[in-house]
Amino acid sequence: ELKVEQNPLFLSMQEGKNYTIYCNYSTTSDRLYWYRQDPGKSLESLFVLLSNGAVKQEGRLMASLDTKARLSTLHITAAVHDLSATYFCASQAGGADGLTFGKGTHLIIQP
Amino acid sequence: DGGITQSPKYLFRKEGQNVTLSCEQNLNHDAMYWYRQDPGQGLRLIYYSQIVNDFQKGDIAEGYSVSREKKESFPLTVTSAQKNPTAFYLCASSTQGAGNTIYFGEGSWLTVV
Repeated sequence: ELKVEQNPLFLSMQEGKNYTIYCNYSTTSDRLYWYRQDPGKSLESLFVLLSNGAVKQEGRLMASLDTKARLSTLHITAAVHDLSATYFCASQAGGADGLTFGKGTHLIIQP
Repeated sequence: DGGITQSPKYLFRKEGQNVTLSCEQNLNHDAMYWYRQDPGQGLRLIYYSQIVNDFQKGDIAEGYSVSREKKESFPLTVTSAQKNPTAFYLCASSTQGAGNTIYFGEGSWLTVV
């Protein structure tokens, strides 16, 4: 059974600071996804990571994947208030199997 | 516009009733999924379908049923056997190739009254 653990589950940080969210998964996985969710809204796709060493960046967010360590990270650089949201990582064992989600990291960025 | 349409957005159900949530996509995706999200929690997989006329149970399928008669449509029925159905339900779809992004609909809020 595939399990996904995120930490921290809650993070309050100041604007301008850097921080990293960690995502560990339990078994061999084809791919790793990161999503953003605003309160009461659906999920917005941020990144899809497909191979060991993959790194993707979009604005102040950068995601990486280490399949040997079964670890993905989401790094936030110089945080701004607009990045406040809940961030989920999810793993997919293969093909068109369903995603297994972590519990999410609730991120609050204070001015 | 291409996308995933879920309806209704808000639904109230009396205890003992079955209700059906609609999910339609015009993205020509083969795979479709249903997830449940409880407040402050992650998403859990209810059912998924990789192709028309075929579907598989996810982690929490008990009390739910689905059908996949058309590629575009994957309705979810919440039956009276689901004892705690109040939740946010999200439908998603994707292609089956490598690097596929899984897109989500806007979600349906179901409340038992």
